[in-house]
Amino acid sequence: AQTVTQSQPEMSVQEAETVTLSCTYDTSESDYYLFWYKQPPSRQMILVIRQEAYKQQNATENRFSVNFQKAAKSFSLKISDSQLGDAAMYFCAYRFGNQFYFGTGTSLTVIP
Amino acid sequence: DGGITQSPKYLFRKEGQNVTLSCEQNLNHDAMYWYRQDPGQGLRLIYYSQIVNDFQKGDIAEGYSVSREKKESFPLTVTSAQKNPTAFYLCASSIHSDRSSEAFFGQGTRLTVV
Repeated sequence: AQTVTQSQPEMSVQEAETVTLSCTYDTSESDYYLFWYKQPPSRQMILVIRQEAYKQQNATENRFSVNFQKAAKSFSLKISDSQLGDAAMYFCAYRFGNQFYFGTGTSLTVIP
Repeated sequence: DGGITQSPKYLFRKEGQNVTLSCEQNLNHDAMYWYRQDPGQGLRLIYYSQIVNDFQKGDIAEGYSVSREKKESFPLTVTSAQKNPTAFYLCASSIHSDRSSEAFFGQGTRLTVV
């Protein structure tokens, strides 16, 4: 069974600081994709970043980067220079085949 | 603009009634999904469809039904058999043949039983 675990239900960060959100997953597969989604108060799900399991290099999108540790099955999201607009629920997701498996989410508060 | 449209945004249902949530996409995606979102439980898969006229149950299909008569449309019916239907429902689609394709989401429907 594919499971995705986000162990931090809530996190907070000072504006302009850096925060890391954790995600672990369980799979016996070797080829898959991982995603981080942002869900702001509007509840629209927005893709933040994706990572292919076969790529050693960690994905980066502007202020967002991942720390992908395949052997440890860990996929954390680092947000640098946090902004007020980063306040949202963040979901980690794993795609295998045509199925997506989501974690329970981390609610991020940005403190001015 | 291409995207996924869910309607209505808010829906109220009396106990014992069936209701249907609409989901339409113009992204030409083969795969479509319905998720239920409850506080603290993330997104749980209700049903998914990879092609027209075919769909599979997800983890929490009991009390729900779907149809996929057209590629663009994947409506979800919440039946009276669903014991606790109050939740936020998200429809999504993705490119079937591209493993790197993310799930694209609609704006969601908030269903409340009154």
